[in-house]
Amino acid sequence: QVQLQESGPGLVKPSETLSLTCTVSGGSISSYYWSWIRQPPGKGLEWIGYIYHSGSTNYNPSLKSRVTISRDTSKNQFSLKVRSVTAADTAVYYCAKFIAVAGTGSNWFDPWGQGTLVTVSS
Amino acid sequence: SYDLTQPPSVSVSPGQTASITCSGDKLGDKYACWYQQKPGQSPVLIIYQNNKRPSGIPERFSGSNSGNTATLTISGTQAMDEADYYCQAWDSSTAVVFGGGTKLTVL
Repeated sequence: QVQLQESGPGLVKPSETLSLTCTVSGGSISSYYWSWIRQPPGKGLEWIGYIYHSGSTNYNPSLKSRVTISRDTSKNQFSLKVRSVTAADTAVYYCAKFIAVAGTGSNWFDPWGQGTLVTVSS
Repeated sequence: SYDLTQPPSVSVSPGQTASITCSGDKLGDKYACWYQQKPGQSPVLIIYQNNKRPSGIPERFSGSNSGNTATLTISGTQAMDEADYYCQAWDSSTAVVFGGGTKLTVL
């Protein structure tokens, strides 16, 4: 049973870089896709991006210029960096396993981590 | 960009059938999935590939997808089903897309 756990600072100052790590247990990140999703307080879900086991990445076009997802296979972790944050980046950040059936456009997130709230404020 | 539209709220009486829609251009040509999110909890996958249920998801949850609309149906709705529901699909231009979410109230 794969489990994911987000970790990182809960408070980030405006214009700085938000950094989070997702630790995966019960499965290897050397397989499948691994993703970040966020949810501003009281609002809906927003996909941020994913990293494939090969190391290739794909990002939400609206965030692509500020986001980097990377991985550390030796620690079975993948990470998120969001640069130049503003109050609009305040959200609960989730990591999740992203399952995609090759060549079909069929994909889904399962399971999800418990999420971590990141507040952008001075 | 590709957008998925959900009604902000749906109400249902206990024991009745609830239907939550998700609309997008030619959505029926794509695969849709659904998540349930209860307050303070992470989203949980309840339907994938339009109509498949993951292990452990009750049979009262079902899905369909045709034309421009995917539909999540909850038969015999229970109080425990009160939650936010999100649809999700893939579009070649936008990649992963979520609907705005629907709050299901069981009255």
